[in-house]
Amino acid sequence: AQTVTQSQPEMSVQEAETVTLSCTYDTSESNYYLFWYKQPPSRQMILVIRQEAYKQQNATENRFSVNFQKAAKSFSLKISDSQLGDTAMYFCAFRFANFNKFYFGSGTKLNVKP
Amino acid sequence: DVKVTQSSRYLVKRTGEKVFLECVQDMDHENMFWYRQDPGLGLRLIYFSYDVKMKEKGDIPEGYSVSREKKERFSLILESASTNQTSMYLCASTPSGATGGSGGYTFGSGTRLTVV
Repeated sequence: AQTVTQSQPEMSVQEAETVTLSCTYDTSESNYYLFWYKQPPSRQMILVIRQEAYKQQNATENRFSVNFQKAAKSFSLKISDSQLGDTAMYFCAFRFANFNKFYFGSGTKLNVKP
Repeated sequence: DVKVTQSSRYLVKRTGEKVFLECVQDMDHENMFWYRQDPGLGLRLIYFSYDVKMKEKGDIPEGYSVSREKKERFSLILESASTNQTSMYLCASTPSGATGGSGGYTFGSGTRLTVV
């Protein structure tokens, strides 16, 4: 089975500062997709950002960006100008290009402090 | 607004009961999934379905079964509930083929099941 590792169970950041969440994965495939999901206290999982493995350019969505290092199998999420509403569990996920099954990491609980 | 709806937000059941968790999506997605979420373990796949009446075991299928009689509905069944099945259960869906592409899941809002 594929493995997705999030080594930071919990993190804190001050409002307006920048924080980076780490994710590594293990696969022998070359074509796949990577995702970051956010789960706020409401429990609704929300897609934050996605990255296609064949694209060298790092994905960006407003204050959220990734650092995708394919050779190192690393996929970190950077949140700039952190807001109180960013407080949530964040899950890194991996998906093969030709198969819809996702593999999730264990999650990082992010607490944004005022 | 597209939706994946899980019928119960909270559920309390007794050990040995047969439990049904229902999930309905209105996006005409082919693929549907059931995960359980536990602290420190992330999301683990129980079962998934890529078409009506089709089902595949995930990573932790023991003690569970599923039913997909209609495209929009995917049910998770706990045949005889046990305390170690106390968990958060998440349903998700995604389209197949060309429409699937690099798409992510659409999730329901989860059912927190407690077995006493």
